[in-house]
Amino acid sequence: ETGVTQTPRHLVMGMTNKKSLKCEQHLGHNAMYWYKQSAKKPLELMFVYNFKEQTENNSVPSRFSPECPNSSHLFLHLHTLQPEDSALYLCASNPLTNRQQQFFGPGTRLTVL
Amino acid sequence: RKEVEQDPGPFNVPEGATVAFNCTYSNSASQSFFWYRQDCRKEPKLLMSVYSSGNEDGRFTAQLNRASQYISLLIRDSKLSDSATYLCVVSGGSSGGYQKVTFGIGTKLQVIP
Repeated sequence: ETGVTQTPRHLVMGMTNKKSLKCEQHLGHNAMYWYKQSAKKPLELMFVYNFKEQTENNSVPSRFSPECPNSSHLFLHLHTLQPEDSALYLCASNPLTNRQQQFFGPGTRLTVL
Repeated sequence: RKEVEQDPGPFNVPEGATVAFNCTYSNSASQSFFWYRQDCRKEPKLLMSVYSSGNEDGRFTAQLNRASQYISLLIRDSKLSDSATYLCVVSGGSSGGYQKVTFGIGTKLQVIP
């Protein structure tokens, strides 16, 4: 158990649906991240939040909308996705120490039909 | 040139063999280095940090060569349970108040009975 939870674990949605992914960390960390992991590609950083403030948006399309209401919760709101958005979406957190170890949640496996 | 480059493999090795993975990185300002392990359909988990002096954890040895900008992971006496994908991770180069973390594509290891 890593202390980072994600729901749902699996999600199938149509291109016109709106859904949200949720991440919660119980580790007291100050930074939270969304990553996308597609087959045969390295993890791609999508968004970073430090102390609830977004500090990085890695050229992510606007159909992905993050929300960080507090330092323990992170959401990724999805709307009008494309089939190529099907991937494993991983949430991570870290305490912003020098070593920058990332603690990952189990991920949400998303399929867009 | 990719920021973090790894041979994706797969590396198929017999039980008991010694196997080595290399990883190169392009950003000379990188400060922290890690190896993560990712099992099939699971999230990445930290295997070990990599220090300039080299470090060992049981059957695993990690080395860092800053001059040549590469990192290595050596696994001795391979076990079936070592079968996984090994991700090289590099962080450094401050961006928006946090250190940028970049993942390699991962090297897949399959240990064969």
